[in-house]
Amino acid sequence: QSALTQPPSASGSPGQSVTISCTGTSSDVGGYNYVSWYQQYPGKAPKLMIYEVSKRPSGLPDRFSGSKSGNTASLTVSGLQAEDEADYYCSSYAGSNNVVFGGGTKLTVL
Amino acid sequence: QVQLQESGPGLVKPSETLSLTCTVSGGSISSYYWSWIRQPPGKGLEWIGYIYYSGSTNYNPSLKSRVTISIDTSKNQFSLKLTSVTAADTAVYYCARLGDWGMRDWGQGTLVTVSS
Repeated sequence: QSALTQPPSASGSPGQSVTISCTGTSSDVGGYNYVSWYQQYPGKAPKLMIYEVSKRPSGLPDRFSGSKSGNTASLTVSGLQAEDEADYYCSSYAGSNNVVFGGGTKLTVL
Repeated sequence: QVQLQESGPGLVKPSETLSLTCTVSGGSISSYYWSWIRQPPGKGLEWIGYIYYSGSTNYNPSLKSRVTISIDTSKNQFSLKLTSVTAADTAVYYCARLGDWGMRDWGQGTLVTVSS
């Protein structure tokens, strides 16, 4: 299984929206509705932001949303805030009880 | 929401075995799937494998020959063993609760350095 493909970086100004993509294949992202997204601050553990493509854990702001089209999943952060500056990773079920992660995207709030 | 805490040696010699334990609190280990993930310094996340409380496991195919994950329900702990380590295994190792194929809760992580 190969890592999912994410852009190394993304950026936006406060208040804007930014979308981060996560591209896989029909054997992972495209084949199952089990895409998750994580936020990670430097030196900290990742935090689950989205699961099952578009579901948010309780308590998380609705500024974060997820979607999927074909073999590409996307995370959209609306109303960007300074605190959203972090690394974001996607993961997907990859069949045969395996999980695969993306390479990560560094989000910068300008 | 459960809490997870990794523990184990921070330094392992090349060719030896890396051993870590994850202690789960705030809930029973006997209900969920539990996973190990690692992150080399400055790099991305890599899924290592999971274990169910019944003892069934599955591992990343790229690590399968060197990995064993076990569980001790009486202690609310699960463990990771990685054999024949090299410098490429230097990473922060995280334990996590796996649900709906997403990592729901994470430990704080522990850095393991492979060096003589």
